Amino acid sequence: GQQVMQIPQYQHVQEGEDFTTYCNSSTTLSNIQWYKQRPGGHPVFLIQLVKSGEVKKQKRLTFQFGEAKKNSSLHITATQTTDVGTYFCARDGGSQGNLIFGKGTKLSVKP
Amino acid sequence: KAGVTQTPRYLIKTRGQQVTLSCSPISGHRSVSWYQQTPGQGLQFLFEYFSETQRNKGNFPGRFSGRQFSNSRSEMNVSTLELGDSALYLCASSPRQGVAKNIQYFGAGTRLSVL
Repeated sequence: GQQVMQIPQYQHVQEGEDFTTYCNSSTTLSNIQWYKQRPGGHPVFLIQLVKSGEVKKQKRLTFQFGEAKKNSSLHITATQTTDVGTYFCARDGGSQGNLIFGKGTKLSVKP
Repeated sequence: KAGVTQTPRYLIKTRGQQVTLSCSPISGHRSVSWYQQTPGQGLQFLFEYFSETQRNKGNFPGRFSGRQFSNSRSEMNVSTLELGDSALYLCASSPRQGVAKNIQYFGAGTRLSVL
């Protein structure tokens, strides 16, 4: 269907280690968005990817959109405790709604 | 610009009661969407309003309803509350135009507890 699958569901890392979360769709995506939700907070928009093979960077965060536009990834280099939270990818829901969110990857960082 | 404002932040209700949540979008945003967030189901889309009309609807029972006013402020109502309605209800506004048309700007949410 139109769901997006995110893996892993949870990730525990030591501070300074890298982290990657993946978002996969069975159908071609028009675009993909990424959001971060801190514990006790609300989702905050990070980035939108539109083009096939697109790579965007925000400081230690690298976002990729697959060549087939069916998958995306978020990679964090040298995690810090401020990176703690849940990272969601979201696809255009079309007639089902504005956005359809993945279940998210919950990142914890041990100092 | 001020962000998305949701009131109240916390609510405690009992089964069978009804509740109304309020959302004021970012100035200039005509689209308001509502989401339910629970640990088990994640972020689920409830409905979207655009220019006072319901534009999209998720897979929720008719007990969940909403409306939007001419100033784009929106309210969400849940009638005959059930225990399973306990959740964080998030409102998000969107410009619905330009390259940022689908980006959701979320409010802090209303945490509803049904006892």
